[in-house]
Amino acid sequence: DAGVTQSPTHLIKTRGQQVTLRCSPKSGHDTVSWYQQALGQGPQFIFQYYEEEERQRGNFPDRFSGHQFPNYSSELNVNALLLGDSALYLCASSLGRVNTGELFFGEGSRLTVL
Amino acid sequence: AQKVTQAQTEISVVEKEDVTLDCVYETRDTTYYLFWYKQPPSGELVFLIRRNSFDEQNEISGRYSWNFQKSTSSFNFTITASQVVDSAVYFCALSEASRGSTLGRLYFGRGTQLTVWP
Repeated sequence: DAGVTQSPTHLIKTRGQQVTLRCSPKSGHDTVSWYQQALGQGPQFIFQYYEEEERQRGNFPDRFSGHQFPNYSSELNVNALLLGDSALYLCASSLGRVNTGELFFGEGSRLTVL
Repeated sequence: AQKVTQAQTEISVVEKEDVTLDCVYETRDTTYYLFWYKQPPSGELVFLIRRNSFDEQNEISGRYSWNFQKSTSSFNFTITASQVVDSAVYFCALSEASRGSTLGRLYFGRGTQLTVWP
């Protein structure tokens, strides 16, 4: 049973560029959430996707956008990259939007912005 | 205001010592859930436990135990007889179940880096 998979694992971009990160949820899960984890900090909620729509959003600018596909996989897009966007981006999956149970996390995509 | 506070940034112990990781939370919800996650160097967050706000019973799972006290808004995590493999960053997190706009969202603390030396 495959867990949450994310790609790419590492990437380097320069300021002003755009990046797309991908996530495949755990088998049977239909909800995907994205978190940003800066170095030495706890993960911060970016947004949550359920039924191909953004259901919740954290305190992140519009430069951060996402998408969920019919197979429940998801993408996170960040435009006009800033140095401060350098972080580990974690994808978490769960079953159902109102999830108060366990979130399953991927190993993350580490983004470095130069 | 930060909803979850982990005051201990780093803790170092020697193998076989007991260690307690502190977590203090803040919420106005009457129904909420508390979590502990472990993050090894690989980066993946590994679920350890979930407790709901109505269940204050302490829980033990092998060498791990959790002490939930609503009176002090704390949810502390103790590792007994620590091992080198316990070295990781540990995160405490809160999910507020009553607020429609944030259902399913986790608020994490800043984490505690635990290093267990042989």
